[in-house]
Amino acid sequence: QQPVQSPQAVILREGEDAVINCSSSKALYSVHWYRQKHGEAPVFLMILLKGGEQKGHDKISASFNEKKQQSSLYLTASQLSYSGTYFCGTANSGGYQKVTFGTGTKLQVIP
Amino acid sequence: DTEVTQTPKHLVMGMTNKKSLKCEQHMGHRAMYWYKQKAKKPPELMFVYSYEKLSINESVPSRFSPECPNSSLLNLHLHALQPEDSALYLCASSPGASGVSYNEQFFGPGTRLTVL
Repeated sequence: QQPVQSPQAVILREGEDAVINCSSSKALYSVHWYRQKHGEAPVFLMILLKGGEQKGHDKISASFNEKKQQSSLYLTASQLSYSGTYFCGTANSGGYQKVTFGTGTKLQVIP
Repeated sequence: DTEVTQTPKHLVMGMTNKKSLKCEQHMGHRAMYWYKQKAKKPPELMFVYSYEKLSINESVPSRFSPECPNSSLLNLHLHALQPEDSALYLCASSPGASGVSYNEQFFGPGTRLTVL
């Protein structure tokens, strides 16, 4: 029931792009994306709602395919500050504030 | 004030101790959460409070007891914990518009708990 993310880990050079995928076995109402740096709390990046509404964040964007129950996070022109572990979080209904976090993707950006 | 604060930052306790974790936010958010996070794993939802009432209990053992005294404050009371309960405990809040689950969650820095 936990969303599965791919890849598990990725190393980028500054300026390169990356895509992180999140796949769920259940119908999704919304998808959240968070970044967590080592020893810190998760930080909200983006939310995508069923029906296409989206909130953006700088050079980071995302897509949400409701039929395939998948979401992808796009990081363009990566910066050193993008390093961290990215989690998607999925909600299956609009009734409660329940978000299930995905398996995580560790991203390292090197000079 | 746009942050969630948690105290203490670190806690070491024995299996017979009683302790409490505290979480506070002053953003006017009406939903508050407790998560447990093991090393290199995603946060796992434990409890959700919505408008100061317990909305979700993810089948958490009774040795964890949440409390929401008011809309700004969330406590987690700990009693007779096991070593496997050692983890980072994260508190979060969200605006909590009634009936909608899309609100982004703001996380506190967490309390790192060690049970001996």
